Amino acid sequence: DIQLTQSPSFLSASVGDRVTITCRASQGISSYLAWYQQKPGKAPKLLIYAASTLQSGVPSRFSGSGSGTEFTLTISSLQPEDFATYYCQQLNSYPWYTFGQGTKLEIK
Amino acid sequence: QVQLVQSGAEVKKPGASVKVSCKASGYTFTSYDINWVRQATGQGLEWMGWMNPNSGNTGYAQKFQGRVTMTRNTSISTAYMELSSLRSEDTAVYYCARRHYDFWSGPRFDIWGQGTMVTVSS
Repeated sequence: DIQLTQSPSFLSASVGDRVTITCRASQGISSYLAWYQQKPGKAPKLLIYAASTLQSGVPSRFSGSGSGTEFTLTISSLQPEDFATYYCQQLNSYPWYTFGQGTKLEIK
Repeated sequence: QVQLVQSGAEVKKPGASVKVSCKASGYTFTSYDINWVRQATGQGLEWMGWMNPNSGNTGYAQKFQGRVTMTRNTSISTAYMELSSLRSEDTAVYYCARRHYDFWSGPRFDIWGQGTMVTVSS
């Protein structure tokens, strides 16, 4: 099974900050990686797929990069509504998909 | 609009089974796989398995093999996930999600149901 490890698990930042979350895969997954945002009591929301493609309607301050085993999600200028938990997901090994353990982004 | 609407919260006793439904609307139900993901309180997302609504083919994460069954009723565009031999550790929110695929960008879970809380308690 492919394992995903996100870092950090917790991140404290301020409005306007630039933040980066990393997701490492235990083996190469090409660019088959997605990022989701989840707020308390809500379903996850797709932000980015194919490692760097922004889902329709998602603000351009979100961006993704990487391929193979290392990936990053960057928020260029944090907004109040961005404080949430973020998950990466590998979709390389169809149809056996796994998620990272999550990164909780909190207000400093 | 495109959406997945799940059934309501359930409370079950240990050893019982639960069946959660996921009704699709706004798109052709048989054109996209449905996946199931669960989340225990305060924990991360755990992928459970998938079902192809057209063929009925399924695949389950090893952890749930033998306890989970995913089915569908195409006449009402509804997918089901049944989990048996429930234990307290199965207490979680269960989500269905549509797997979108295209040749250029590959797969992603683009539409999610609102979640169904399943509580297992004696």
